[in-house]
Order: sequence, then structure tokens, then C-alpha cells
Amino acid sequence: GIQVEQSPPDLILQEGANSTLRCNFSDSVNNLQWFHQNPWGQLINLFYIPSGTKQNGRLSATTVATERYSLLYISSSQTTDSGVYFCAVQYNTNAGKSTFGDGTTLTVKP
Amino acid sequence: GAGVSQSPSNKVTEKGKDVELRCDPISGHTALYWYRQRLGQGLEFLIYFQGNSAPDKSGLPSDRFSAERTGESVSTLTIQRTQQEDSAVYLCASSFYLTGGRDYGYTFGSGTRLTVV
Repeated sequence: GIQVEQSPPDLILQEGANSTLRCNFSDSVNNLQWFHQNPWGQLINLFYIPSGTKQNGRLSATTVATERYSLLYISSSQTTDSGVYFCAVQYNTNAGKSTFGDGTTLTVKP
Repeated sequence: GAGVSQSPSNKVTEKGKDVELRCDPISGHTALYWYRQRLGQGLEFLIYFQGNSAPDKSGLPSDRFSAERTGESVSTLTIQRTQQEDSAVYLCASSFYLTGGRDYGYTFGSGTRLTVV
């Protein structure tokens, strides 16, 4: 099956700093999503981004499907950004399931 | 409804008992997914439903696990003869299906935390 690798596994930032999280995948994909899992376990969909660039406030994401990677940018980080960021990819048009990476654990210190 | 609703939020059961977990998807979302997340780990795919098509059961870990969905509504995940290794958070998500032009992003419920003692 498809392999999804996220880096770095852990990241510690001071409030106000910027960061880039990376997701590499081993095969062509039909769609890609980024999620944030907060410390209470709730998963929030940040972006549905099979290709191109999207922005939402301090967050933006870019997927370069031909080179099999996606990047999530967090600018001016806040303590509420802490949690685990997951990348999930779907690679078969007829199969709706997505494969998740192992996540990047982000800690933002005040 | 406004979001994906899962019940119960917490379930403690004795080893060997059967449990039933419920997921109520967002109205209009034809696709429904079950995932499992063990403590400190990523999400493991269990099963996927799309409309009236045959479900993709490729992620179910054993024949003790089964799931049903009636049409495009509620789904139930049943675990028979629970074992301690079944302890995890069971997450349900729903989405539109891949038919052009929509945002197919998943919306997750809050999960059911299952503890087998």
C-alpha cells in the first residue's frame, strides 16, 4: 500500500515563530488532507488539497502532486496550535479510504 | 445534523463482552468511515461505506469486528468478544463522495473511547 511519511515527528516552537511541516507519499494520490488533533483528541480538517496552494488565516498548505509531497505552513504560532498534525492521502479513485501518516506533534510554548 | 455524532463517548467493558458503537453522519454525506486510534498512535482504517455500494472492509482486524450502515444514515460498529488489545478510540468520519467539484474533506466525530478491562 501507499506509504505516508511526515516530518519532523516532533517540533517545539516559541509562540510567534513560524514552522513548516512536510508530508511525503509514495504513489500518485487523488486527494490529500491535513488535520489538526487538539490535546482533547478532536480531529479538525484544516485543508482538502489534492494540488496547488490554499490559505486559511495563519495556515497555508501546498501540494506538489507530481513530486509527491505536501507542506503545511504555520505562521505566528500560538499556544492553541499545539497538538498533532496529520496528513492523509487517498490514492485509489474507487476506494474512499485515506491512509494517515504518523503525525507531527507540535508544542508551542508561551 | 450539524456535525458527526458518536455514542457513547466512553465505554468500559469486561473482556469477552460485545460492544456496539454508533455513528450519525452529517446529513447529505454519502461516505462514512471508521478508524481506530490507539494511545499515542496514528489512525488505522477499519471500514468504509459509500451509499448503497458494498462496503470496503479491508481494514477490519478480525472477524470479531463488523459494521453496518443503512442507506446513507447511521452506522454501527460491533466488536464481539472484546479483548484488551481492542482498547482504543474509535473514530467515525463522513464526507461527500468523489463526483466532481466538491470539497471531499472528512469531518470527524469526537470518537468513542473504549476500554476493555
